[in-house]
Amino acid sequence: QVQLQESGPGLVKPSDTLSLNCTVSGISMSHSFWSWIRQTPGKGLEWIGYIHSDGTTDYNPSLKSRLTVSLDTSRTQFSLNLNSVTAADAAIYYCARLVYPYGIDFWGQGTLVTVSS
Amino acid sequence: ELVLTQSPGTLSLSPGEGATLSCRASQSVSSSYLGWYQQRPGQAPRLLIFGASGRATGIPDRFSGSGSGTDFTLTISRLEPEDFAVYYCQHYGSSFTFGPGTRVDIK
Repeated sequence: QVQLQESGPGLVKPSDTLSLNCTVSGISMSHSFWSWIRQTPGKGLEWIGYIHSDGTTDYNPSLKSRLTVSLDTSRTQFSLNLNSVTAADAAIYYCARLVYPYGIDFWGQGTLVTVSS
Repeated sequence: ELVLTQSPGTLSLSPGEGATLSCRASQSVSSSYLGWYQQRPGQAPRLLIFGASGRATGIPDRFSGSGSGTDFTLTISRLEPEDFAVYYCQHYGSSFTFGPGTRVDIK
């Protein structure tokens, strides 16, 4: 059974760094784009970025200057670090697998992140 | 920048009726990378359709997708109670853009 599970703090202070992990089980991490997506009532679903299993990354241009996505295949995890957060970064954060040509075929359950002092 | 527009915003229908959902792209896109997702309350989105018309694993055949260029359609032939949800289109080619969603609710 394929599972993706997000973990990390649910509350982050403004100007701090948001760090989330996604643990992957039941599926190889090869040949896939490991992705982060967030959702807010106001902006809907927003693609954040991905890291391919070969280490290549691609980020949403609007977040690129604050964002790092990394991969640890030995621990079957990938991570998101978003620095200098503001209230606009409050959202449900999903980790997910993108594989061509199928799209995003596996999603985590999502984790709610609040930004507040 | 690619923008996906979905219409209608909300569709109010009864179980057993058919639904037609539209996704329009601001520029021509490859149908190979056009997907549709279903999101039920409190759940993550679920892949329904890939490549504009391919049905994902385990998706019932009452769901079908079509379209090319800038206009794409998701059709649900006969609504079951579990189909009342929000539906999103997404392009996952050179850009990764989601539409704003169409809510299908019970009339």
